Amino acid sequence: QSVLTQPPSVSGAPGQRVTISCTGSSSNIGAHYDVHWYQQLPGTVPKRLIYGNNNRPSGVPDRFSGSKSGTSASLVITGLQAEDEGDYYCQSYDSSLSAYVIFGGGTKLTVL
Amino acid sequence: QVQLVESGGGLVKPGGSLRLSCAASGFRFSDYYMTWIRQAPGKGLEWISYISPSSSTIYYADSVRGRFTVSRDNAKTSLYLQINSLRADDTAVYYCAIDGSGPNGGYWGQGTLVTVSS
Repeated sequence: QSVLTQPPSVSGAPGQRVTISCTGSSSNIGAHYDVHWYQQLPGTVPKRLIYGNNNRPSGVPDRFSGSKSGTSASLVITGLQAEDEGDYYCQSYDSSLSAYVIFGGGTKLTVL
Repeated sequence: QVQLVESGGGLVKPGGSLRLSCAASGFRFSDYYMTWIRQAPGKGLEWISYISPSSSTIYYADSVRGRFTVSRDNAKTSLYLQINSLRADDTAVYYCAIDGSGPNGGYWGQGTLVTVSS
């Protein structure tokens, strides 16, 4: 069971907007640690989409945006495209002794 | 451009050992926090280890602490993971990655597959 909780799956039609949530606790997201988001398309290496809660690396389309509030973070994808289908992971850090870097369990995005 | 190239994976028997390497290029390796992350077949991402630029700060996941050892050689721009007492549930693709923070972070290598089986 992951320290960060994500919905197992989300779906949307092309052109629509979807939101993927990432819920943590006071020892990670709520402790002001940054949240990063990764996209893993089928058969590929994870690619960073968002860093530092809401920053896009160069080359990432502005259809992808991130936010953080309290103990949760969200990834929003607008103008959904077929090539967005894949797995999405949030990542943060934790002040507990059992783990420092933590990932969410991943969310499978299906484009209908 | 940033390149991370893992090597050293393979088929190993339970209880065996391997040393994974990650050759880095295209960035100032000695400035960056590095991580090892693994992904079992059909599963999600699992963080394994984190090492600071000077190796002064090292963290491990509970699942590997005491069996895995991370190290780096900044002169050789390389990251290493010594994995001992391997178990079947260590079977995974192992990735090295630059920590996700900052505009220049978040790069991953292509991964190296470790299969633990008798």
